[in-house]
Amino acid sequence: GAGVSQTPSNKVTEKGKYVELRCDPISGHTALYWYRQSLGQGPEFLIYFQGTGAADDSGLPNDRFFAVRPEGSVSTLKIQRTERGDSAVYLCASSGLGLAGANTGELFFGEGSRLTVL
Amino acid sequence: RKEVEQDPGPFNVPEGATVAFNCTYSNSASQSFFWYRQDCRKEPKLLMSVYSSGNEDGRFTAQLNRASQYISLLIRDSKLSDSATYLCVSRGGTGGFKTIFGAGTRLFVKA
Repeated sequence: GAGVSQTPSNKVTEKGKYVELRCDPISGHTALYWYRQSLGQGPEFLIYFQGTGAADDSGLPNDRFFAVRPEGSVSTLKIQRTERGDSAVYLCASSGLGLAGANTGELFFGEGSRLTVL
Repeated sequence: RKEVEQDPGPFNVPEGATVAFNCTYSNSASQSFFWYRQDCRKEPKLLMSVYSSGNEDGRFTAQLNRASQYISLLIRDSKLSDSATYLCVSRGGTGGFKTIFGAGTRLFVKA
């Protein structure tokens, strides 16, 4: 499809398990963002990539969270030893930011991956 | 202190009303500002960019005051379909594109 695709759309796991969330951005978008959103809150910045490298990972809450984007397209957010407090919707967005001729740098979001840690 | 702060509301207004939302940001190096709209259980979508000179898009007007680090959104002639959460967004600083969202302001427009 033409939009940002996130999988899985829903993930239920047990405390202490490992989880991977995948984001497939809009083709050609060099910038990719991960956010976490809890009920009643705005999207909380986690990390963003420009190409393959993490340009800013200051929002990752602790070392249980890690994200990669090895080929500059698809990204995976990895959460180790999940905790109940990790339950949230994880949103991915991509943008043409940094591309020659990019306009507003609008962020295009996927529908999110809802993570529930029991 | 959060980098982008908004009044969470909710704002309950009748159809046809004018409503204004305010937002402040703490990073003076931020370079770009936006308003996004988020419907219930949906992803955020860009409503409009915010420029220092102020900009208007139909019933929506956005203003930026860099000296006060303050951003506003004015909605005139509110419609039922305007009911949503409005997210204030800042981007940039130190040459990067880190994009920070506020907690959002909820708007309910009633018939």
